[in-house]
Amino acid sequence: DAGITQSPRHKVTETGTPVTLRCHQTENHRYMYWYRQDPGHGLRLIHYSYGVKDTDKGEVSDGYSVSRSKTEDFLLTLESATSSQTSVYFCAISPVSSGANVLTFGAGSRLTVL
Amino acid sequence: AQSVTQLGSHVSVSEGALVLLRCNYSSSVPPYLFWYVQYPNQGLQLLLKYTTGATLVKGINGFEAEFKKSETSFHLTKPSAHMSDAAEYFCAVSDGQTGANNLFFGTGTRLTVIP
Repeated sequence: DAGITQSPRHKVTETGTPVTLRCHQTENHRYMYWYRQDPGHGLRLIHYSYGVKDTDKGEVSDGYSVSRSKTEDFLLTLESATSSQTSVYFCAISPVSSGANVLTFGAGSRLTVL
Repeated sequence: AQSVTQLGSHVSVSEGALVLLRCNYSSSVPPYLFWYVQYPNQGLQLLLKYTTGATLVKGINGFEAEFKKSETSFHLTKPSAHMSDAAEYFCAVSDGQTGANNLFFGTGTRLTVIP
């Protein structure tokens, strides 16, 4: 996981509370991604960023927002957490966005919403 | 749109036995195909990828995969399993086009290696 740090690594919260997950990279990569990993679903893209202040939605973006004010930081916010958002969240980075793109993943953030 | 099907959510093999993890894809255009591995409490890391050219692709840790267009498959193999191979493996497909939203993962196969 060299070059990518996710925080917090574990979080337990209650339904209706806001939650922010942080992804920090030291690789100066342009592209950053947030995925969620759930049993039986594999990894699904939530949001991604292609530059500072440039973001777009992924496959499962409802209930999530993101922000990228600096190249190195990509924040994922759950405005009002629900139990269905209990998951493991992975940040990933890549220098380019092409079909042969290889992603480098962080270690994950395990979120439990009670 | 692209999609990936991984047959078998759990596979168990004995140490030293052949590892075969199955992946079939659906794509309307020539695909780019990937295998990622996830060790416990870690993020995913790339094992190997196919883009163009030779259909047999070799990756890290002795793994290889063969792209078979006629069978729309990209199965992952390793001749002899090692205890350290115990992990979850994900197949992924891209349509090769520019765009960050074009990579789709399978549901994963958890490999257990029995001593």
